[in-house]
Amino acid sequence: DAGITQSPRHKVTETGTPVTLRCHQTENHRYMYWYRQDPGHGLRLIHYSYGVKDTDKGEVSDGYSVSRSKTEDFLLTLESATSSQTSVYFCATHGQGAGNEQFFGPGTRLTVL
Amino acid sequence: GQQVMQIPQYQHVQEGEDFTTYCNSSTTLSNIQWYKQRPGGHPVFLIQLVKSGEVKKQKRLTFQFGEAKKNSSLHITATQTTDVGTYFCAGGDGTASKLTFGTGTRLQVTL
Repeated sequence: DAGITQSPRHKVTETGTPVTLRCHQTENHRYMYWYRQDPGHGLRLIHYSYGVKDTDKGEVSDGYSVSRSKTEDFLLTLESATSSQTSVYFCATHGQGAGNEQFFGPGTRLTVL
Repeated sequence: GQQVMQIPQYQHVQEGEDFTTYCNSSTTLSNIQWYKQRPGGHPVFLIQLVKSGEVKKQKRLTFQFGEAKKNSSLHITATQTTDVGTYFCAGGDGTASKLTFGTGTRLQVTL
């Protein structure tokens, strides 16, 4: 694995509260991604980053924001959590190298009541 | 936007049987990657295909990329219980290192 950790690993929160998920990597990878995984939908890209302070939207970005102030950290914030954001969230990184593979973190299971 | 579909969504086989999952993109892809996710785990990269018509093998797994670079397949020969998991294809459009993941095929293998 590429030294990717996510915190928290599990969280239960209430509708309307803000939530921040953290992804930390130790490989100095340039690219970082946030996905959500839901049954029947596979992995859907929320936001991604191609460098410090450089981020862009993915296909399901509404209701989410991100920040990357350091190479190693990529934060995902749910500004006002809704039940439709109950999901498993995966962070991934991608270095510039052979295969262009993405390395995934262990995931965060978020439940919004 | 780009859409990537996989079929079947789920397949249950007996150990020793073969298994195939198919991936179809709405647009031409620059490359395709395959990932495996064990139950409760995270996706793990298996392979990348780049060339039209490319075929790659990893032991009992055979990966193909279509001539038009819009479809791909993963074939597992003589499945084992260790093959259990969800297999995802992911298409690259050649820009910004983004991938569009397919919907996944969940494989269950029983003795």
